[in-house]
Amino acid sequence: SAVISQKPSRDICQRGTSLTIQCQVDSQVTMMFWYRQQPGQSLTLIATANQGSEATYESGFVIDKFPISRPNLTFSTLTVSNMSPEDSSIYLCSVEVVGVSYEQYFGPGTRLTVT
Amino acid sequence: GEDVEQSLFLSVREGDSSVINCTYTDSSSTYLYWYKQEPGAGLQLLTYIFSNMDMKQDQRLTVLLNKKDKHLSLRIADTQTGDSAIYFCAESRDSSASKIIFGSGTRLSIRP
Repeated sequence: SAVISQKPSRDICQRGTSLTIQCQVDSQVTMMFWYRQQPGQSLTLIATANQGSEATYESGFVIDKFPISRPNLTFSTLTVSNMSPEDSSIYLCSVEVVGVSYEQYFGPGTRLTVT
Repeated sequence: GEDVEQSLFLSVREGDSSVINCTYTDSSSTYLYWYKQEPGAGLQLLTYIFSNMDMKQDQRLTVLLNKKDKHLSLRIADTQTGDSAIYFCAESRDSSASKIIFGSGTRLSIRP
């Protein structure tokens, strides 16, 4: 498995501002993903973070709203831009570990509240 | 379609077995997963089964897969208070598990 940390663990932000969430893994991973879990809901994939190139976004998510970086094999960031109360969610980073492609591990999540 | 469906709630008595059910619609699913989410925590991968298997057992956990009916279940033997959590069923359709579709989650509560 992999040990995944996210910063911040939670934040309360004002509408119109932006927040950058960091995801750090303790080992090299092949794939990194960002998910959103809205209150009382299941998880929805936002995008796949690609090292050295633009992220691959799922339907309904765009780069201007959720810019993603992945500068190396163990680190990625997700920015939630121009926030509104509808962005209040838990944002989770997940990874596939090198050599174990069918297991996806999740970070502890970042709980975001937008007021 | 991409739907993965689960019942929302399950209540069992401590010491009994819990059975959480899930149905999925895509017959090309490669791997099927069970994740556990405790309050305020991230998701923990509990177990998974490859689509050419029909059963997998891991200590107190038993996964049953009926591919014909597209039905997956998770049985937890001797349910304990620490098993209280939301359990998510999920499927992936490619060998790298890159895109996982999650069910809505089943909240398991344990009564004394």
